[in-house]
Amino acid sequence: EVQLVESGGGLVQPGGSLRLSCAASGFTFSNYAMSWVRQAPGKGLEWVAAISGSGGSTYHTDSVKGRFTISRDNSQNTLFLQMNSLRAEDTAVYYCAKFAPPSGWFLGAFDIWGQGTIVTVSS
Amino acid sequence: DIQMTQSPSSLSASVGDRVTITCRASQGISNYLAWYQQKPGKVPKLLIYAASTLQSGVPSRFSGSGSGTDFTLTISSLQPEDVATYYCQKYNSVPWTFGQGTKVEIK
Repeated sequence: EVQLVESGGGLVQPGGSLRLSCAASGFTFSNYAMSWVRQAPGKGLEWVAAISGSGGSTYHTDSVKGRFTISRDNSQNTLFLQMNSLRAEDTAVYYCAKFAPPSGWFLGAFDIWGQGTIVTVSS
Repeated sequence: DIQMTQSPSSLSASVGDRVTITCRASQGISNYLAWYQQKPGKVPKLLIYAASTLQSGVPSRFSGSGSGTDFTLTISSLQPEDVATYYCQKYNSVPWTFGQGTKVEIK
């Protein structure tokens, strides 16, 4: 069964850091680009970051550039999101999602989603 | 960046009704458009990709159409289990922008 399981969320003070992880199983992880998507309480979906299958190409939405970094360890089938300088507006459920095409690149929809991990930024 | 605008923001319809949701891109995106369903408290689920291709396992009452800038998601006969928020998303290029969502309720 194809599965994504996020972890690492929690309560953190403004200015703090968290590292989210997403453990993948049931598919050849390195063949697929991956992404992080977040959803603030009561709000819609917002794409956050994406990484190619090899890890050689990464993209981040403007509001997190310079603060968040997406990475992956293909030997451990794990996706990461390092979040620094956290702000109240980063409070959200963070989902990892798999790009559909088995090319390692980005031209596809998100066909598999994890259950999400909650990040709360508050003093 | 290309903006994705959905309408309406919410709708209420009766069981068995035909429901249509529209999504407009601020620039042409060919058919690189996906639709997702998010039931209350649940994880988003891919319904349609390439504007009109049904994801495996999705009921045939769901359909998608459009190309370029204007797209539609249609539920041919609304069922109680279709209560959800529906999102469109462009995936032709960075950023992979979502629409603001359309909440579908039963009247």
